[in-house]
Amino acid sequence: GENVEQHPSTLSVQEGDSAVIKCTYSDSASNYFPWYKQELGKRPQLIIDIRSNVGEKKDQRIAVTLNKTAKHFSLHITETQPEDSAVYFCAASTGAAGNKLTFGGGTRVLVKP
Amino acid sequence: ETGVTQSPTHLIKTRGQQVTLRCSSQSGHNTVSWYQQALGQGPQFIFQYYREEENGRGNFPPRFSGLQFPNYSSELNVNALELDDSALYLCASSLDQGALQPQHFGDGTRLSIL
Repeated sequence: GENVEQHPSTLSVQEGDSAVIKCTYSDSASNYFPWYKQELGKRPQLIIDIRSNVGEKKDQRIAVTLNKTAKHFSLHITETQPEDSAVYFCAASTGAAGNKLTFGGGTRVLVKP
Repeated sequence: ETGVTQSPTHLIKTRGQQVTLRCSSQSGHNTVSWYQQALGQGPQFIFQYYREEENGRGNFPPRFSGLQFPNYSSELNVNALELDDSALYLCASSLDQGALQPQHFGDGTRLSIL
């Protein structure tokens, strides 16, 4: 089955700097890649997603890139702010077994003021 | 627009007991997926329900079962509870069962097994 690996597991950045989180996936049939932000004690919140027919997508300070050949995708956060501090999860879906999402292990991001 | 709601928020059970968790999908969403999130890990897919039928299942034993009702709300039932079942159980709904449909999560039910 699908396997998603996420790096780094923790990331500390200075406010205003950029943060980059990388994920690799194993199943070449995967065609949907969402990113979730989970603050302590709260629900995972969908922040951006990308489909396999697109190489890059941007929404304000957040962007995601996808390289289907290498089977990896990345989340970029620019001009980080303290409220960006949270755990971020990448996920992948092939559409098999319904639209099952396979998640990475998460990245804890700390933005220092 | 009403988001995904789950109940109860917290639950404490002992080994061997049974538990039922509930989920109301977001308005207009007909597909519900359940995930288990252990502490410090990413969510793991349990199963999905679409139009009252199980539409896919992850690597969970049969003692994890579910239902979906005509109003698209759903239940997760776990029998013969084990200590390892302690986790946050998340429900997510989507507009349809299609692979490209975004899934939106509820706040979860935190289940503790003593």
